[in-house]
Amino acid sequence: GAVVSQHPSWVICKSGTSVKIECRSLDFQATTMFWYRQFPKQSLMLMATSNEGSKATYEQGVEKDKFLINHASLTLSTLTVTSAHPEDSSFYICSATGGLGNTIYFGEGSWLTVV
Amino acid sequence: AQSVTQPDIHITVSEGASLELRCNYSYGATPYLFWYVQSPGQGLQLLLKYFSGDTLVQGIKGFEAEFKRSQSSFNLRKPSVHWSDAAEYFCAVGAFGNEKLTFGTGTRLTIIP
Repeated sequence: GAVVSQHPSWVICKSGTSVKIECRSLDFQATTMFWYRQFPKQSLMLMATSNEGSKATYEQGVEKDKFLINHASLTLSTLTVTSAHPEDSSFYICSATGGLGNTIYFGEGSWLTVV
Repeated sequence: AQSVTQPDIHITVSEGASLELRCNYSYGATPYLFWYVQSPGQGLQLLLKYFSGDTLVQGIKGFEAEFKRSQSSFNLRKPSVHWSDAAEYFCAVGAFGNEKLTFGTGTRLTIIP
């Protein structure tokens, strides 16, 4: 079936550095992908909509200059956390629609720890 | 604006007992409703979804959910839980054709022997 894969699953970075998280649709093309953020023991909050070949659409309150999203191909969207701070530490998860019945599939998520 | 309420933050159930997790939604049009399960440190797995048709939806792992428009509810049920069902459960709502979802705050399910 359709699978969405994220990489890396876990990443630790130093404050002030940037880190990139990839979201790939493995066996279908996704013109739109979504990036969510989940703090420990909390729900998922939509950060942005990633549109292939165009700029991402950010939700209110999300810093577009801090969370750079690039959707260069129909199977890959990337989220780059720039100048990371400890408060950016979170679980980041992407989703894409595809496969039978246009099911929404979520990636496995990526744990980011900023130290 | 759409919203989802999961009134129960944490539920504890004995193994073999029945389960019902509550979900209430607020949405201006016909909602597209989902239940996802998340194990600790893992991504989301779709249990079931509803858009139209039969209001009782069957999902994976023996779960089912019933859409009740008059109550704006989409409660998840399972007749007999297993220890492996212990996880966090999220209800979500979206619009058909728009994959942007709004999630509830989740219900943590604990199974006791």
